[in-house]
Amino acid sequence: KAGVTQTPRYLIKTRGQQVTLSCSPISGHRSVSWYQQTPGQGLQFLFEYFSETQRNKGNFPGRFSGRQFSNSRSEMNVSTLELGDSALYLCASSLSAGSNQPQHFGDGTRLSIL
Amino acid sequence: AQKVTQAQTEISVVEKEDVTLDCVYETRDTTYYLFWYKQPPSGELVFLIRRNSFDEQNEISGRYSWNFQKSTSSFNFTITASQVVDSAVYFCALSDRVDNFNKFYFGSGTKLNVKP
Repeated sequence: KAGVTQTPRYLIKTRGQQVTLSCSPISGHRSVSWYQQTPGQGLQFLFEYFSETQRNKGNFPGRFSGRQFSNSRSEMNVSTLELGDSALYLCASSLSAGSNQPQHFGDGTRLSIL
Repeated sequence: AQKVTQAQTEISVVEKEDVTLDCVYETRDTTYYLFWYKQPPSGELVFLIRRNSFDEQNEISGRYSWNFQKSTSSFNFTITASQVVDSAVYFCALSDRVDNFNKFYFGSGTKLNVKP
């Protein structure tokens, strides 16, 4: 069974640009969550999508947005990139939304802002 | 306020030693779930265990064991007879439902170095 797939693995952008990251969940998983991981802040929850709807949201500015498609694949978009957005962005999928579901993570997309 | 605290930033042990990773959590919810994840140098977070707030039985899986104590809001993880392959960053996580939202909270992680 294929795991969570994130593309691209690495990305370099400059300040002010925007970026779109992609996540394909494990087959049959309908919930997708996004996290930002940085050395200083650790793992921080961005948002969760289930059935094409954003179900939960962390404390990130509106520059961070996402969406989920009917096949459960999800994209995350960051606009007007800032240096502080440099991080590893992790996607996790689970069977359904809910606090009892273990999440299965992808390898992440490492975003570097110059 | 930090909902999951992993006070140990980094631990170094010699192979075959036992090691315990501490995790203290905070929540207002009566129904919640606790998790441990392992992040090896390759980067992918690997799910290890999930416990719900109503089940305080300790669990053992091979060399891994978990001690859940609601009285102290702790969910500690012990590796017995550690091996070099156990070297990784270990994250404790809490999932609760407060104000009608499900959220995951991760601790800052404990980096475990197992030396041969």
